[in-house]
Amino acid sequence: DTGVSQDPRHKITKRGQNVTFRCDPISEHNRLYWYRQTLGQGPEFLTYFQNEAQLEKSRLLSDRFSAERPKGSFSTLEIQRTEQGDSAMYLCASSRGTGNTEAFFGQGTRLTVV
Amino acid sequence: AQTVTQSQPEMSVQEAETVTLSCTYDTSENNYYLFWYKQPPSRQMILVIRQEAYKQQNATENRFSVNFQKAAKSFSLKISDSQLGDTAMYFCAFMDNNAGNMLTFGGGTRLMVKP
Repeated sequence: DTGVSQDPRHKITKRGQNVTFRCDPISEHNRLYWYRQTLGQGPEFLTYFQNEAQLEKSRLLSDRFSAERPKGSFSTLEIQRTEQGDSAMYLCASSRGTGNTEAFFGQGTRLTVV
Repeated sequence: AQTVTQSQPEMSVQEAETVTLSCTYDTSENNYYLFWYKQPPSRQMILVIRQEAYKQQNATENRFSVNFQKAAKSFSLKISDSQLGDTAMYFCAFMDNNAGNMLTFGGGTRLMVKP
């Protein structure tokens, strides 16, 4: 494993459906981040984990969003009752944590809500 | 809260020439890092260069260098000898070292290198 992987790469869903994305970080990285990127914009922070603990959540993360990182390995991001405004690229990144600042990004999951 | 502003939505440069991308930021913190990330079309974001705020010396990585002006809260990226593979979106990003290493990104600059 040489990088962060995300699955699926693309997801088209109907408004009101639930979707779940997966992120597999670099194996020795204990921090994992989720960002959302809309077309033509920079990524916006959603949430992050240190090991299995979710330590910070952005106000962008409404009650319809939930993220988990069981056992401090892979993470899932679920969006319930999707809305058209949820259409975006969802990026996952991981890093070693304190003292090492470089974040490695996955290729993202592009969500389209129709 | 921190903000990062990139005032150039798009730029172009001829191959082999030099281009400078601008970035300004706003923060009340003293212990932070600044980054430039590159996002090629349909590919993942990768780190180009990093600057620690406590270091006065500007960071350099091969053809990439920064001009870090802490008092002015300015952090520009210079790309020398531009190559076609430099074509990408470039994002300036801020990280508060005391706040979980989350990144605050600017809106990006789309750079086109022309042959």
